[in-house]
Amino acid sequence: DTGVSQDPRHKITKRGQNVTFRCDPISEHNRLYWYRQTLGQGPEFLTYFQNEAQLEKSRLLSDRFSAERPKGSFSTLEIQRTEQGDSAMYLCASSSGETIPIPHFGPGTRLTVL
Amino acid sequence: LAKTTQPISMDSYEGQEVNITCSHNNIATNDYITWYQQFPSQGPRFIIQGYKTKVTNEVASLFIPADRKSSTLSLPRVSLSDTAVYYCLVGGVGDDKIIFGKGTRLHILP
Repeated sequence: DTGVSQDPRHKITKRGQNVTFRCDPISEHNRLYWYRQTLGQGPEFLTYFQNEAQLEKSRLLSDRFSAERPKGSFSTLEIQRTEQGDSAMYLCASSSGETIPIPHFGPGTRLTVL
Repeated sequence: LAKTTQPISMDSYEGQEVNITCSHNNIATNDYITWYQQFPSQGPRFIIQGYKTKVTNEVASLFIPADRKSSTLSLPRVSLSDTAVYYCLVGGVGDDKIIFGKGTRLHILP
């Protein structure tokens, strides 16, 4: 399967703990996106990378959230001092450099903060 | 970024054609219209994208009138497996963030 992969698929943690998620985009896709989705809502944009550069960050991305894409390939999203409100599905997507990008989404990581 | 408006939910029956309309009154000249499908606990899946008139692929058709202020996703002969949330997005060249609305929950009945 050459699609976007995310790891882990599920994460349960206690409030106050740090968690890190990984996203492996489709090979040679230079754009990578992170979204968050809660039940009954559409995906909310968090941040966007072009190669290793983080070009856009949503105001939803508080100081406790940090994303990296160090070599322009895989990306990590870290949440520090998790809160119950962080419980959500975290989606990663990637796209190539086409004029009108069409992000291809991974299966997501479901985070539950107890 | 142009805002989109879709029905919150729709019901239909197996074998029927389903049309989901999306309004995007302030669409820009260089904006394209893209539709995604999402099943529970999965990431959204690209269905179709268009700029004007009609686009058809193996899954769906997309109808865009001349003024481009709306678009209609047409799913021919739906089955139970088409039960999902369908999102209409509008964006163009240089848009770095793809914005999703609440989507349309389509429920196919036997």
